[in-house]
Amino acid sequence: DIQMTQSPSSLSASVGDRVTITCRSSQSIISYLNWYQQKPGKAPKLLIYAASNLQSGVPSRFSGSGSGTDFTLTISSLQPEDLATYYCEQSYSTPWTFGQGTKVEIK
Amino acid sequence: QITLKESGPTLVKPTQTLTLTCTFSGFSLSTSGVGVGWIRQPPGKALEWLALIYWDDDKRYSPSLKSRLTITKDTSKNQVVLTMTNMDPVDTATYYCARMLAGSTSQDYWGQGTLVTVSS
Repeated sequence: DIQMTQSPSSLSASVGDRVTITCRSSQSIISYLNWYQQKPGKAPKLLIYAASNLQSGVPSRFSGSGSGTDFTLTISSLQPEDLATYYCEQSYSTPWTFGQGTKVEIK
Repeated sequence: QITLKESGPTLVKPTQTLTLTCTFSGFSLSTSGVGVGWIRQPPGKALEWLALIYWDDDKRYSPSLKSRLTITKDTSKNQVVLTMTNMDPVDTATYYCARMLAGSTSQDYWGQGTLVTVSS
């Protein structure tokens, strides 16, 4: 299985801050990398697919980049509603695998 | 409007077989490039991908659970069924079904999830 490692595991930032979450895969996954947002008690929501493509309806303050083994999710200006846990997922080969999650808190 | 909803027992005993049904609307599992998958999440833990069935009946499983999982589809009923045998307390989790599009290789629509507790 391809292992996905996210960092940090948690962060606290102020409204308006730029937030960056990184995800590293144990082997190259080209650009088969997705990002999900999961708010407390809710199902995950797709934010970014294929590393850098913004899912329809997702605010433009979210962006993704990277290829190969190293990927980044950026929130350009953190909003109160961005309180959530964020997961990366590789869909290069089955079993698709998720990172352990990054919990984002608002200061 | 695309929706998915999971249904099944909320409590199962150890060694029993779990059967979960995902009933969806707004898309067809006979359309090329479409799939439905299952993902679970133990309380307070990360997401775990379980299985996926494609429009052409191709099936993929998590290798660590493959011997215990079966995924099937009923296109006429817009349903996907996941069975998991020999349930154990460590299988306690919220189980989600989600639509997958081959073009984006991502799960773009998710059900609300159903919590399954394994306990005697």
